[in-house]
Amino acid sequence: DAMVIQNPRYQVTQFGKPVTLSCSQTLNHNVMYWYQQKSSQAPKLLFHYYDKDFNNEADTPDNFQSRRPNTSFCFLDIRSPGLGDAAMYLCATSRDDLSSSYNEQFFGPGTRLTVL
Amino acid sequence: GQSLEQPSEVTAVEGAIVQINCTYQTSGFYGLSWYQQHDGGAPTFLSYNALDGLEETGRFSSFLSRSDSYGYLLLQELQMKDSASYFCAVGTGRRALTFGSGTRLQVQP
Repeated sequence: DAMVIQNPRYQVTQFGKPVTLSCSQTLNHNVMYWYQQKSSQAPKLLFHYYDKDFNNEADTPDNFQSRRPNTSFCFLDIRSPGLGDAAMYLCATSRDDLSSSYNEQFFGPGTRLTVL
Repeated sequence: GQSLEQPSEVTAVEGAIVQINCTYQTSGFYGLSWYQQHDGGAPTFLSYNALDGLEETGRFSSFLSRSDSYGYLLLQELQMKDSASYFCAVGTGRRALTFGSGTRLQVQP
C-alpha cells in the first residue's frame, strides 16, 4: 500500500541535543509538509517542499530546519531542542496536479518527541 | 491573519446526527477541508468544498457558504468509532492549510 512512513514513532532527546526526524513516502507526491502538533491543539505548519523548492512559514523558529534529498524522503532537524519543542511531529504529502490538490493531504503516523 | 473557530467539544449518542460548525477569517481562501484524527493517530482527510453547497460522502457530508465564511461537517448514523477530533482547515494559498483548533466528538452508547 502506498503510504507515508515516519521513523521513529517515539523519540527522546535531551535539552539542547540535536535530533533528526525522518519521513518517507511511496505516493510519489511532489509536496511534503512538516507539522508540529501539541496536545489538544491544531497541527501547525512548519514548512513544506514543492519538489526541491523549500517554503518556510514566517513564524517557524530558526531552530527547525529541513532537508529533502529526493522525492521520497524528507527530514526535520531540530538543532537545539527546548522543552517547548516537545510535541507530535507530523509529516504529510499532497499531489500537485490540480491547484486544489493540496487540500487533500496524506499524513504519516507522526513522531512523538520528548525533551528531557 | 488566519482564524478558524469551531466548538471545542460535542457529545452525541450512537445513531444520532451531529453537526460541527466552522467559521473562518483568512487572508486567502482556496477551499474548506475536514480531517478526522483519533487519539494518538494521524489526521485523515474526510472532505473538501471549493464551492458553495453540500458534498456527500457516505455518512459524512460537508457544507460551505463562502459569503458567510462558514461551513459544517454533518455526521449521520453515528457510530462509536466516530469518536475522534475533527478539524476544519482552510487552503490559504502557497499549498498551505491552516487548521482550526479541532472539535472533540464523543459518541455515547
